[in-house]
Amino acid sequence: DAGVTQSPTHLIKTRGQQVTLRCSPKSGHDTVSWYQQALGQGPQFIFQYYEEEERQRGNFPDRFSGHQFPNYSSELNVNALLLGDSALYLCASSLVGWDTQVGQETQYFGPGTRLLVL
Amino acid sequence: AQTVTQSQPEMSVQEAETVTLSCTYDTSESDYYLFWYKQPPSRQMILVIRQEAYKQQNATENRFSVNFQKAAKSFSLKISDSQLGDAAMYFCAYRTKWGGNQFYFGTGTSLTVIP
Repeated sequence: DAGVTQSPTHLIKTRGQQVTLRCSPKSGHDTVSWYQQALGQGPQFIFQYYEEEERQRGNFPDRFSGHQFPNYSSELNVNALLLGDSALYLCASSLVGWDTQVGQETQYFGPGTRLLVL
Repeated sequence: AQTVTQSQPEMSVQEAETVTLSCTYDTSESDYYLFWYKQPPSRQMILVIRQEAYKQQNATENRFSVNFQKAAKSFSLKISDSQLGDAAMYFCAYRTKWGGNQFYFGTGTSLTVIP
């Protein structure tokens, strides 16, 4: 059973550039969430995709955008990179549903992409 | 928005001993989920244990157990018989039951296990 995968593992960019990060959800999951984790901090919610639409969004500017594909994989795009965008970007997948099956409401995380903006 | 507070930036425990990590949260909701995640140096967040707010019984997973005090909005994690592999950052997280799947995380507690 494949877990959540992310690519690339590391990335170095310069200010003003654009970056695309990729995520494949855990097998059987249909929802992908993205988080930004600054050094020494807990993850901060960026947004969530379900049925190829953005369903929820955290307090992040429009420079952060995303996409979900029919196979449930997802991309996170960041435009006009700033030094402060340097962080670990985590993808998490889950299965939307309201039944009480254990684990339905749980998010499973990928290994993350470490982005460094110079 | 909900907030999650972990007041212990760092903790240490002797191997085979027991340690308790603290977490408090603020919410006006009556039903929600709480989680503890472990993040080792390899970076991957691993689910340790979860608790549903409407359940009175504290969750247990092998050596890991929680003390859930709903009225006090407290959710502590107890690790028994600590092992070297338990060394990691531990994050407490909150998720509302209705209206979305967004997780709110605390700032984490770094656990060191001393041989």
